[in-house]
Amino acid sequence: EAGVAQSPRYKIIEKRQSVAFWCNPISGHATLYWYQQILGQGPKLLIQFQNNGVVDDSQLPKDRFSAERLKGVDSTLKIQPAKLEDSAVYLCASSLAPAGGSNEQFFGPGTRLTVL
Amino acid sequence: QQQVKQSPQSLIVQKGGISIINCAYENTAFDYFPWYQQFPGKGPALLIAIRPDVSEKKEGRFTISFNKSAKQFSLHIMDSQPGDSATYFCAAEAGSYQLTFGKGTKLSVIP
Repeated sequence: EAGVAQSPRYKIIEKRQSVAFWCNPISGHATLYWYQQILGQGPKLLIQFQNNGVVDDSQLPKDRFSAERLKGVDSTLKIQPAKLEDSAVYLCASSLAPAGGSNEQFFGPGTRLTVL
Repeated sequence: QQQVKQSPQSLIVQKGGISIINCAYENTAFDYFPWYQQFPGKGPALLIAIRPDVSEKKEGRFTISFNKSAKQFSLHIMDSQPGDSATYFCAAEAGSYQLTFGKGTKLSVIP
């Protein structure tokens, strides 16, 4: 079974520039998550999708971050304009939930963003 | 507000020893407590999980102990191996399929 794919793996930009990350979840997984993981901390949920609808985006800084999940499959996360404090690893995860009775989330390898 | 507190921040254990990582929570609505393992350059992967209706769950060398009254749970790694060297995260979920993670424990197992 193919895992969660993310690209790019690394990105370096200057502050005030824009950047976009892409995620392809495991086939058949209804729920998709974007997390921000700052160095030395645990992942922090930014947004949760179920199919192509947003379940929770309460921790997404909506003045600069946006995300979409077209057709309930792939997803993109965008930052515009980036700030220094956005430097982090952005993780995408997917889950069978709410179907399947499983809470397990499967994570991609992440995109490491450095904002200079 | 940190809802799941994890300790220690780092841990060094000799090969064959027992690694113990502790977590505490405040939200009594949490009803699912997983542990994730993360290697450098990789995303976290589920290691083992428990629900509050049991006090202990064991899978191979990994055991979760859960104390509902104290609102604490811990991960025990028996016979720790160098390949276990990774960062471990406890997490908690309150029925919304959303995980709240602890800050992580970097485990180093030395030969």
